[in-house]
Amino acid sequence: EAEVAQSPRYKITEKSQAVAFWCDPISGHATLYWYRQILGQGPELLVQFQDESVVDDSQLPKDRFSAERLKGVDSTLKIQPAELGDSAMYLCASSLSTNVMQFFGPGTRLTVL
Amino acid sequence: GQSLEQPSEVTAVEGAIVQINCTYQTSGFYGLSWYQQHDGGAPTFLSYNGLDGLEETGRFSSFLSRSDSYGYLLLQELQMKDSASYFCAVPYNTDKLIFGTGTRLQVFP
Repeated sequence: EAEVAQSPRYKITEKSQAVAFWCDPISGHATLYWYRQILGQGPELLVQFQDESVVDDSQLPKDRFSAERLKGVDSTLKIQPAELGDSAMYLCASSLSTNVMQFFGPGTRLTVL
Repeated sequence: GQSLEQPSEVTAVEGAIVQINCTYQTSGFYGLSWYQQHDGGAPTFLSYNGLDGLEETGRFSSFLSRSDSYGYLLLQELQMKDSASYFCAVPYNTDKLIFGTGTRLQVFP
């Protein structure tokens, strides 16, 4: 069964360091989403790609976060510099043709010390 | 803005039926989705209601009333493995999904 792949699964870093997360969506899924989920809350959309183009990045803190999907397949989310408040689960999801049914990867648990 | 309200926690025993409610306020409405997330796991799509009424998928059913801005997820014949968080979500501007804060369901033997 096709799955969304993410790496690393866990990342511990010190504040002010740079971190990067990688996501490989389900083959053929044109839409890719990056979410941040704080413990006890629902996922919050950071950025959405349609193929290689950004559709929505209104909630992405652009002074420190960046995301790219250069060839319209896999994607990287970067934080530089990391802050204590960035500690969260970072989830990647993809969808084929509609945003209501999204397939999520296992996530990257980020801890900033 | 968009807002979705869910109870924070629900408890039930194995074999019982439980209903998780979701009320929403959105500018423009395109339907209501439900996702399940086990502790430490990824959200998994459960159901979608684009129209009023009941959608049934095995032990799970989802209901929507657009006139009341209200929906619910109904879980029947509860099993221990149903212990998880359940999120309602609404599409916004057709290309973005807004999630509720989630309801943590605990099933006891």
